[in-house]
Formats: sequence, structure tokens, C-alpha cells
Amino acid sequence: ILNVEQSPQSLHVQEGDSTNFTCSFPSSNFYALHWYRWETAKSPEALFVMTLNGDEKKKGRISATLNTKEGYSYLYIKGSQPEDSATYLCAFMRNSGYSTLTFGKGTMLLVSP
Amino acid sequence: SQTIHQWPATLVQPVGSPLSLECTVEGTSNPNLYWYRQAAGRGLQLLFYSVGIGQISSEVPQNLSASRPQDRQFILSSKKLLLSDSGFYLCAWDRVRSPLHFGNGTRLTVT
Repeated sequence: ILNVEQSPQSLHVQEGDSTNFTCSFPSSNFYALHWYRWETAKSPEALFVMTLNGDEKKKGRISATLNTKEGYSYLYIKGSQPEDSATYLCAFMRNSGYSTLTFGKGTMLLVSP
Repeated sequence: SQTIHQWPATLVQPVGSPLSLECTVEGTSNPNLYWYRQAAGRGLQLLFYSVGIGQISSEVPQNLSASRPQDRQFILSSKKLLLSDSGFYLCAWDRVRSPLHFGNGTRLTVT
């Protein structure tokens, strides 16, 4: 059983604050790490797919880093806005034949105006 | 462009009744198809996936089954629902090792 852990479980920040979350995953047989944003009443949407150790990806005010050797990824949001309120999911894919994604439980972010 | 349709959006069913949730994908061929469930307080759990017509892999032994009668159609079924089947069900598709694209989900409440 693969263990994908996300922390914190939830986070409440004020508009304009910067914040970050952590995703921990197995450091062996790594293939890819995905980040998704899941807003209330919508379906999860992909933010990043990361495959290389040291990868850094950026989309607007959101960025992510990847360390495959130690098994963690950070997601950063700069200058949080109320529309950033969502659950952020990470998912790990193992390098093993046909492999599916294993999701963490997510970090629920609430940004207050 | 590709779209994914999932229905119904909400469903309330009594214990012991059958279930059928349907998902269809448009705008792509031979997608990988997935059924996920999110139970209260838990993460997304993969239930079934399919890499082709008639090919179903089950990740978790349970009261549910899946079928893929056509290339872009994926059906989740149960003959007799249990209370523990309540949850939020998501259908998704992808191509080999690309991001998942999710449907809008079905909220199932078993009473």
C-alpha cells in the first residue's frame, strides 16, 4: 500500500497571505507527482504534473517544487485570494508497468477577505 | 475538445437497492477510464480502472462492479447497496501518464 501524506489537513489564511503545503510520498520507484485543485461544487482540476527531481512549476501565483530523492513536494500560493479557497490534492504515480495515481487526503485551504 | 459527462449528480437509494452510474467521454478515443470514491473524511480512493473495452481492473474488493461496454462509456454498478457505499463518486479519464480529467461527480446517499 502506497502512503501519500499531505499536511496540513486544513489551513485558514487572510487575503494577501502567502502559504504552502506539503505532500510526502515514497522515494523509491518514482514516476510522477500530480497536484490538483478541487473547488467546492466543481470537479478536481490538474495544476501540475511533475516528473523530474528538482522540478519547479509555476502557474500564476501558484508554484510547486519536487524532491524525489527525499520524497516530498511543496505547493506555494503567493498572495492568497478568496478564489484560491479549495482542497489541494497531490497524487503519486509509481514507475511500475501500468501504474495508477494514489491520492493524498488533501489540504483544505480557506482564504478570508 | 474533450468532455466528460457523469450522471446523475445526486442519488438517494435505500439499502439493498441496485445502482447504476454512467460516465461517457467525448472528443477522444481509447481513453483510460477510472472510478474514484471519496467517503466522508477520506481521500480519493480508486475503485476501478479500464484501459480498453471489456478490460476492468479492481483496486479494492467491495460491493461494486464496473463495466466498459463501449470505448468511451464506463458504468459503475451494484446489485445491492450497503450503507457504506455512500460517498462521492467521480469518473475520470486520461491518456497514458497525462493528468486526469474528472467528471462533476455523483453524490450517493444510501439510506
